[in-house]
Formats: sequence, C-alpha cells, structure tokens
Amino acid sequence: RKEVEQDPGPFNVPEGATVAFNCTYSNSASQSFFWYRQDCRKEPKLLMSVYSSGNEDGRFTAQLNRASQYISLLIRDSKLSDSATYLCVVIPGFQKLVFGTGTRLLVSP
Amino acid sequence: EAGVVQSPRYKIIEKKQPVAFWCNPISGHNTLYWYRQNLGQGPELLIRYENEEAVDDSQLPKDRFSAERLKGVDSTLKIQPAELGDSAVYLCASSLGTQGDGYTFGSGTRLTVV
Repeated sequence: RKEVEQDPGPFNVPEGATVAFNCTYSNSASQSFFWYRQDCRKEPKLLMSVYSSGNEDGRFTAQLNRASQYISLLIRDSKLSDSATYLCVVIPGFQKLVFGTGTRLLVSP
Repeated sequence: EAGVVQSPRYKIIEKKQPVAFWCNPISGHNTLYWYRQNLGQGPELLIRYENEEAVDDSQLPKDRFSAERLKGVDSTLKIQPAELGDSAVYLCASSLGTQGDGYTFGSGTRLTVV
C-alpha cells in the first residue's frame, strides 16, 4: 500500500461548482498534513496546512480525519484559475514530506 | 528575496552520458532536499541534507547517483551514467526546519535522456 494515495482524476467541473478531493495515508503516526498546488510545468507550492480542527482559507477548506486516516480539500465557487494538480502531502514522522500522486482539476467556463 | 535557484532548467543528454544539476537554496535554510518527479506522479525524495550532512539518502540510487553539499549551502546532484528511465524533473527544495509549510521548491530541472 502506498504511503499516500489520491485519485488522480481529472476532475472536470464548471466554473462556480464545488469540488472535493480526498487523500488517504497509511502511517497512523503521521503528524503533519498539507495540500500543495502544482501548475503545469511548475514547481509545487504550499496551498494550505491541514489542522486537526479543520481550517478554511477563503474558498478552500481542509479537514483531517485521523480515525479514518484521510484528509480532504474542498473548493467552493471554482474559478478557471483553480485548474491545477493538487498534491496531498504527509509527514509520516520521518522528517520528510511524502507526496501523493496528485489530483488534477480542470475548471471549464 | 531570491527563491531556490536551480540550473539548468532543461537538459537533454544521450544515455550513458553524465549529467549534473545545481541548486542554490534560500539563504539561511539549513535543510536541502532533492526530489525526483516522474510524469503524472508526485515528487519522491532522493536525499535530504542538514547543513553539509546527508541525513536521509535511502532513496538515492547510489550506483549511479551522487550528491554533495559543500559548505552547507549550494548542492549538486549527479547521475553517471544516465539511463532512459532517469528522464524526469529534478526538484530542489529548502527549508529552515523539516515541517512542510516551510518548504520552498525551485523551478526544477527537466531531464530528458535519449
């Protein structure tokens, strides 16, 4: 089983739609979780950290479910500029980031 | 402030040739990482440095890959000899510590082995 698993997509949604991605992780001792965004042919950039209590940043909401070992990212009111690959990232306690394969999002007019 | 600088941006080489990538991290960042990203995949760690010391190189294919970080600043990653399967984007990242929210990635070197 991979350490971090994501549905690769693509998720095709119209502008204004709400879309959610899930990511599961295998190491129950993992302490830190993040969502990174990667545009085509660009480097990954931090989108948001994921806190145990859940957190929101504008149209983006991240949640952590430790019991089921998954994290989620919800995007409301999708914009064309949200089209990108969203990488789930976990620190499993080994002091290194472990990336999922990414979920590709395509927002269409 | 300059970000993480990598060079070259692109490299095309024939198989069995050597190749080297260079990374200049953000000033003051003591932790430096090299990741490899294959098409359609997430980045995978090759090696992590704490200052000059390679503290995690378990995923580095040591038969053909080598890395160094002299003086705890710039780093180079070398492949010799390159194989077709080494075609990928090689990303360098740096951070003050080891938490994911403090990572900054360079723009990467896209290697094509023909």
